[in-house]
Amino acid sequence: EVVLTQSPDTLSLSPGERATLSCRASQSVSVNYLAWYQQKPGQAPRLLIYGASSRATGIPDRFSGSGIGTDFTLTISSLEPEDFAVYYCQQYGSSMTFGGGTKVEIK
Amino acid sequence: QVQLVQSGAEVKKPGASVKVSCKASGYTFTSHYMHWVRQAPGQGLEWMGIINPSGGSATYAQKFQGRVTMTRDTSTSIVYMELSSLRSEDTAVYYCGRDLSLLGPDYWGQGTLVTVSS
Repeated sequence: EVVLTQSPDTLSLSPGERATLSCRASQSVSVNYLAWYQQKPGQAPRLLIYGASSRATGIPDRFSGSGIGTDFTLTISSLEPEDFAVYYCQQYGSSMTFGGGTKVEIK
Repeated sequence: QVQLVQSGAEVKKPGASVKVSCKASGYTFTSHYMHWVRQAPGQGLEWMGIINPSGGSATYAQKFQGRVTMTRDTSTSIVYMELSSLRSEDTAVYYCGRDLSLLGPDYWGQGTLVTVSS
């Protein structure tokens, strides 16, 4: 099973700042099968990025994904108030796994 | 628009089974696989498995093998997830999620809280 480790656990930033979230895999992941989700309290996850770098429908261009192999990054170029949430990376090889999440909180 | 509407909250005793439903609308039901993912209180996301609504075949995460069964009814566009031999650690919100070309869920249901308590 591919283990995904996200860092940091918590990111304290102010609106307008840039957020950089990391996701490291225990073995190489095909870029096709790496996704990022946003989850707010009491809500279902929302797909942001699939295929490591493709934005899902309706996702603003301040969200971007990059990476290859075992190291992937989600970047939010300028935080809006609605972006403060928990973010999960996910891979889907023979089985699907999620990272433990990064909480982006208001500083 | 794509909608996934799940059944309501459940309270079960240890050892019992629970069956959660997920009704799909706004797209061709048999054209997209469906995932089930759960989230224990205050915890992260855990994948349980995936079902192909077209043929009915399912693949389960190893952790749940033997305890989970995913089925579908094409006449009503509903998928079901049944989990047996419930224990307190199964207390969680259970989500269905429509698959995006075997890349992961793109649309999600609202979640169903299952509480296991004696």
